[in-house]
Amino acid sequence: EPEVTQTPSHQVTQMGQEVILRCVPISNHLYFYWYRQILGQKVEFLVSFYNNEISEKSEIFDDQFSVERPDGSNFTLKIRSTKLEDSAMYFCASSRDRGYEQYFGPGTRLTVT
Amino acid sequence: TQLLEQSPQFLSIQEGENLTVYCNSSSVFSSLQWYRQEPGEGPVLLVTVVTGGEVKKLKRLTFQFGDARKDSSLHITAAQPGDTGLYLCAGPSSNTGNQFYFGTGTSLTVIP
Repeated sequence: EPEVTQTPSHQVTQMGQEVILRCVPISNHLYFYWYRQILGQKVEFLVSFYNNEISEKSEIFDDQFSVERPDGSNFTLKIRSTKLEDSAMYFCASSRDRGYEQYFGPGTRLTVT
Repeated sequence: TQLLEQSPQFLSIQEGENLTVYCNSSSVFSSLQWYRQEPGEGPVLLVTVVTGGEVKKLKRLTFQFGDARKDSSLHITAAQPGDTGLYLCAGPSSNTGNQFYFGTGTSLTVIP
């Protein structure tokens, strides 16, 4: 069964450093998403991506964040200068169609020290 | 923002009992998804409900979408320890469908 994969599973970084989180969505899906979940809190939408451009982003997704689909399979989330409050689980998801059910990856736990 | 409120927030029951958890909103959703999430893992899709009044069954789990498409419920019959987890409802934004809103979650513990 196809699945969304994410790497790394855990990333520790120092405040102010850049991090890139990587995702491989399900191959025939066209819509891609990033979410974050701070420990003990709800899953929060960051950004959606379709046809090589951002289709929607939340208030959380400020200038420190960017997304890219560098090739036909990877989908990345970059945080330019990490802050302590960026520590969270980051989930990638993909769906076949807009507004359709989403399939999530296992997540990357980001710890900013 | 389209808020999804889930209740109860926490639920602890004995194996074999039945339970219902709720997902409510003041907004209309074109569909709602239910996920289960284990600690440290990503949400796993259980079901999507689309039509108002729709009922879907997944083994011992029964999902219902409200007639007005503003709420949904998940009923588990004869709960088992393997049902333990965080149950989340989610739905797409009504204007673009590009953003998904997640509920606050119900943390279920089934005691053997």
